[in-house]
Amino acid sequence: KNQVEQSPQSLIILEGKNCTLQCNYTVSPFSNLRWYKQDTGRGPVSLTIMTFSENTKSNGRYTATLDADTKQSSLHITASQLSDSASYICVVSANTGNQFYFGTGTSLTVIP
Amino acid sequence: ETGVTQTPRHLVMGMTNKKSLKCEQHLGHNAMYWYKQSAKKPLELMFVYNFKEQTENNSVPSRFSPECPNSSHLFLHLHTLQPEDSALYLCASSSAGPDTGELFFGEGSRLTVL
Repeated sequence: KNQVEQSPQSLIILEGKNCTLQCNYTVSPFSNLRWYKQDTGRGPVSLTIMTFSENTKSNGRYTATLDADTKQSSLHITASQLSDSASYICVVSANTGNQFYFGTGTSLTVIP
Repeated sequence: ETGVTQTPRHLVMGMTNKKSLKCEQHLGHNAMYWYKQSAKKPLELMFVYNFKEQTENNSVPSRFSPECPNSSHLFLHLHTLQPEDSALYLCASSSAGPDTGELFFGEGSRLTVL
């Protein structure tokens, strides 16, 4: 069964600190993995995309990693800011056309 | 701006009302989607349209009726809804094909059924 699991479910960190979010998946055949950021009451916005051959990709203070062998991905946020408070959703695309599998998301709260 | 616009952003309706949600994309994509997002649950796929043809109906109750008049517009017609249908409804689009890559989402329509 194609599934995407994220941990932790929620996280509270102090402003300026780093954090890492986890995503494990069983989706096959794998096409790509995206991390989305969703602010409260808004639609999700893509942060990074990882394909099978990529191990690491950065987008500013966001760095995503992918281990295709263990089917795990992480999103590392460096020097967190209050505006990083949001839900982060891991989405895995299957290589069968229009098939996207969503995790339940990690709710991140950054406090001053 | 993601290039996907949803209206209305907020909607409150009674169980006997009929209303519609609208989605428009300006990205030249050929695939459009409706998703339902409830608290603490993954996004649930409702409908997929490829080149205006419905390719997936994910066991959605008939009180939700989609309409796709062209590749840029998608509607979700609502009638005799239940309180448990209250949720954020997200429209998305992507390029069609075996490796569709990225989903572009609208801002969502927050629906409350009284």
